[in-house]
Amino acid sequence: SAVISQKPSRDICQRGTSLTIQCQVDSQVTMMFWYRQQPGQSLTLIATANQGSEATYESGFVIDKFPISRPNLTFSTLTVSNMSPEDSSIYLCSVAPGLINTEAFFGQGTRLTVV
Amino acid sequence: AQTVTQSQPEMSVQEAETVTLSCTYDTSESDYYLFWYKQPPSRQMILVIRQEAYKQQNATENRFSVNFQKAAKSFSLKISDSQLGDAAMYFCAYRGSDGNAGNMLTFGGGTRLMVKP
Repeated sequence: SAVISQKPSRDICQRGTSLTIQCQVDSQVTMMFWYRQQPGQSLTLIATANQGSEATYESGFVIDKFPISRPNLTFSTLTVSNMSPEDSSIYLCSVAPGLINTEAFFGQGTRLTVV
Repeated sequence: AQTVTQSQPEMSVQEAETVTLSCTYDTSESDYYLFWYKQPPSRQMILVIRQEAYKQQNATENRFSVNFQKAAKSFSLKISDSQLGDAAMYFCAYRGSDGNAGNMLTFGGGTRLMVKP
C-alpha cells in the first residue's frame, strides 16, 4: 500500500497567479500521476511523472501551463500557472506502487478556486 | 484509445436494498484490469473492487460484487444491503496491460449514488 500526503488541501487564488501542489508518498514509486477533476466531472489524467525525466503530458495539457517536478522517488509537484477561473478544479496525485493489477492510491486532492 | 462509459449520472436506492451501477468500456486489448472507485464528499478516492479480465469468475468484496461480461465489454457493480455510508460518487476505471503506458487509469464519468433512509 501507499499513503500519500497532498498539500494544500484547498486554496483560493487570484487569476494570473500560480499555485504549486505538493505530493509526498511514504514509499518509493516509479511513476506518479496527476489528475484533474473539474466540478461535477470525472478524473482526467494531466501527466505522468517519472523520476529523472520529463513528465509525459496527455492531449490538451502542456508543460508551460502545468509544469511538474519529480526530484526523487517519493515526491512530486504540480504547478498550475497563470490561472484563470477555468482552472478551478480538484487536482489529485496518484501512485500505483505494486504490480499492474493492484490498486492505485490517491492523495486527498487539492480543491482550487480561481477568482 | 480506451473509453469508459457510465450511463447513469445519478442513482437512488433505499437503505437495505440492492442497487446496480452500470459501466461499459471500449478496448482492443485482450488483457486489462477494471476497477470501481468510490469518492465520498471528502474527495478521497477509495477502491471498492477490482477485476482482472483474464478471470472468468466475478469479483466479490463483502456487499459489493461485479457482473463482468467480457464479450459485451460490460462491468456493472452491485451493492447489496445498501447503507447510508455508501452514498458517494462511484467511478468505473480501466487499466491496460501495456507496461509502457504505466499504471494510468481511464475513468468513466461517474454515478452519484444517493441512499434514502
